[in-house]
Amino acid sequence: TQLLEQSPQFLSIQEGENLTVYCNSSSVFSSLQWYRQEPGEGPVLLVTVVTGGEVKKLKRLTFQFGDARKDSSLHITAAQPGDTGLYLCAGDRRSGNTGKLIFGQGTTLQVKP
Amino acid sequence: DTAVSQTPKYLVTQMGNDKSIKCEQNLGHDTMYWYKQDSKKFLKIMFSYNNKELIINETVPNRFSPKSPDKAHLNLHINSLELGDSAVYFCASSLRGGRNTEAFFGQGTRLTVV
Repeated sequence: TQLLEQSPQFLSIQEGENLTVYCNSSSVFSSLQWYRQEPGEGPVLLVTVVTGGEVKKLKRLTFQFGDARKDSSLHITAAQPGDTGLYLCAGDRRSGNTGKLIFGQGTTLQVKP
Repeated sequence: DTAVSQTPKYLVTQMGNDKSIKCEQNLGHDTMYWYKQDSKKFLKIMFSYNNKELIINETVPNRFSPKSPDKAHLNLHINSLELGDSAVYFCASSLRGGRNTEAFFGQGTRLTVV
């Protein structure tokens, strides 16, 4: 059973287009993170959202945490070829002060010039 | 300076062999992890150590044995390698006492079992 469902799994768009990636779960997370992974590299943390309803912006990227802290979205405005990569959402399941990241399946984004 | 470094980056070996992957972090974190990423890019936690103590042990075959000599190092030893062990293995670290588990990943070790 996949705890975090990420969609779409693949996305190929033209430079300048907008896109949204979704990360959904039936479970509540103490926080949710978005990572970006390039070929041959490890995932790199983009943002952490903590409060239900929270919105964070990172240049052309907008991240939102659902009110119930079960889902999140990543919106990219005017995508550029440099945005190409694998985007991963990860929910933090905490037990005491021990955290465990549960990852979604990832969204492979290709932005064509 | 590399924050989380793991070696080797590539590992090709025959079935039945025993191999090790090493990981070191210089971030001053107290928690380290091993993750496995399969061919579909799905990333799954295998183990977590906090200050040399095992705190997360997912359902991983006994052939996989992590060892943490100190809180800056976490190695992974794999016995009797099988074809299904082929994957990319990532080491990561974080601060346990932090409010959120924000992980910093190494570059990965691509293990190919032939």
